Amino acid sequence: AAGVIQSPRHLIKEKRETATLKCYPIPRHDTVYWYQQGPGQDPQFLISFYEKMQSDKGSIPDRFSAQQFSDYHSELNMSSLELGDSALYFCASSPSSSSTDTQYFGPGTRLTVL
Amino acid sequence: AQSVTQLDSQVPVFEEAPVELRCNYSSSVSVYLFWYVQYPNQGLQLLLKYLSGSTLVESINGFEAEFNKSQTSFHLRKPSVHISDTAEYFCAVRKPSSNTGKLIFGQGTTLQVKP
Repeated sequence: AAGVIQSPRHLIKEKRETATLKCYPIPRHDTVYWYQQGPGQDPQFLISFYEKMQSDKGSIPDRFSAQQFSDYHSELNMSSLELGDSALYFCASSPSSSSTDTQYFGPGTRLTVL
Repeated sequence: AQSVTQLDSQVPVFEEAPVELRCNYSSSVSVYLFWYVQYPNQGLQLLLKYLSGSTLVESINGFEAEFNKSQTSFHLRKPSVHISDTAEYFCAVRKPSSNTGKLIFGQGTTLQVKP
């Protein structure tokens, strides 16, 4: 079965650079969630989209922005990168925004900021 | 606001022994409860979830969890673990009937199964 695809899987950037992470949800899933997992930490919710509209926002820095496109894929744009942004970034998708729907997670993008 | 506490950061156990991973939550409203497993260098996979109905829920690989409303707990158990169960386990909650399905995770418990 198709799973959530994230690209790239690994990314190395310098401080103050920008990064773009991409997420391709499972086909026919219209809801996307982004989470950030720091080293040894639990995943923290960043932002979510339902039907291409932002549905909720968590502890996402102002330096970050995201959007969901017409084909339902989503991109997380990160600017002025800081060392503390080094983390595993997960995208998850679900069939709808219903809270009973299971969120299916991608393998993550590991971002390292040097 | 909701929060999740996993009481043990690491649980070492020998193969074929029983295990319990503890999870307590705090919420002023009812919540849905989840257990996710994360194998090394992989994403999170849903292990089991409690939405309503029977308070005992089971996964296909022998894990079970029981929702206890009075104790606000959702502990995960397995009667006999395998080496392949070695992984990070996250308990999570989610508010029902909201327009956002964000998950709030606990700190995670590392299950280390020894031969």
